[in-house]
Parts: sequence; C-alpha cells; structure tokens
Amino acid sequence: DAKTTQPPSMDCAEGRAANLPCNHSTISGNEYVYWYRQIHSQGPQYIIHGLKNNETNEMASLIITEDRKSSTLILPHATLRDTAVYYCIVSKTSYDKVIFGPGTSLSVIP
Amino acid sequence: GEEVAQTPKHLVRGEGQKAKLYCAPIKGHSYVFWYQQVLKNEFKFLISFQNENVFDETGMPKERFSAKCLPNSPCSLEIQATKLEDSAVYFCASSQSAAYSTDTQYFGPGTRLTVL
Repeated sequence: DAKTTQPPSMDCAEGRAANLPCNHSTISGNEYVYWYRQIHSQGPQYIIHGLKNNETNEMASLIITEDRKSSTLILPHATLRDTAVYYCIVSKTSYDKVIFGPGTSLSVIP
Repeated sequence: GEEVAQTPKHLVRGEGQKAKLYCAPIKGHSYVFWYQQVLKNEFKFLISFQNENVFDETGMPKERFSAKCLPNSPCSLEIQATKLEDSAVYFCASSQSAAYSTDTQYFGPGTRLTVL
C-alpha cells in the first residue's frame, strides 16, 4: 500500500499557483519525499524530491513540514500543460521500488 | 542514451499468444524496473534488476511472466500465454548505481499491450 494520501482531484486557474498537498504521517527518518507527474498516458516524469529542507527547481517548489508528516508541491504559475496526475511518493533510495498511490488529478482551467 | 527507450510502443496479441517487451535503460544506469499500469492511475511494481541480477521480484506474477537483463542487450519482459487481464501499459524505469541513491528513477514512455 502507498504510504501517502493525496486528494483525488484539484482544479487550478491558469497562471495561478497550484498547491498540491500530500500526507505521509508514517514517513521514516531516512525516507525522501518524491513527486512525479503523469501527463495523459506518458511515462511518469520526475519533478522534485527532498528530505527535510524545502527544495526548488525550475519546475516546482517542495515545502516539507517540520515534522515531515506532510508536504506541498507548488507549481508557481500553472499552465494548461501542467494538467496531469501528480504522485507523491516516499522512498529511501532511487533503487527501491516506487509504490504509487492514486495521485491527484490536477486540471488547469483557462 | 539520455532517455529510457521502450519498444514496441504498441503490441496487440490474441489471448494465449506470447508477448515480449523491451527496455533500454539510460546508459550507465545500474538498476532497471518494470511497472504495470492496468487502470488509469493504478501502478503495480513487477520486478527490478541490478545490472543483470534480479534485485527485487516481489511483484512478479509466479506464472507466465519472466524478465531478463543481459549484458549488452536491452532488458526484456516476456508474458507467456497472455490473458485479457494482462492488457495494460508496461513502464520501464532506470536509476543510477547505489552511489547515487538519492537520485530518482527515470521512466520510459511505456509499451501498451492489448490482449484480444
């Protein structure tokens, strides 16, 4: 079973920030939080990951709470091309199997 | 290459026929993973390899499914005697060696298998 819970769906207006929450209350100290997205039926695309500090890259920002029990993925200026299913994963290493939950289906609306 | 390559893109088989899917991991990556996506959003891990050795096969069905990663060849996933329920998109992913354990897995575009 997935170790994360996410809302099944969200809408976001184009140009606005999309804030996608994830709960991982049973995360262990050496597990990272990863975010992937799947656009239509393409392969999952890596977005960002972090351990305990907030992270930012060219795609998104990841905010992890101090107790590490939840996190938020922020897409600062959502575009129509960001419409996808977003998956929050916890994993110790890149060579552990990824256990996907149902994810959040994000619809960016014009 | 810099991307995980999967062939074919689409594969149609009659029930009972064999299906074979191929995956070329990113050059230099040590780990290869196979995942099955049956319904939209539902992924299932099948098997992983560290180089040519099975690393984790806890998701692999006991019957009909087999996989290999041989040196200097694409990895393969083979389904003997396909069933309707095997219809799915099969994704391959690869990741770097354990020295880069905090990196990520990189996914291929998938092979859509349709069993009629």
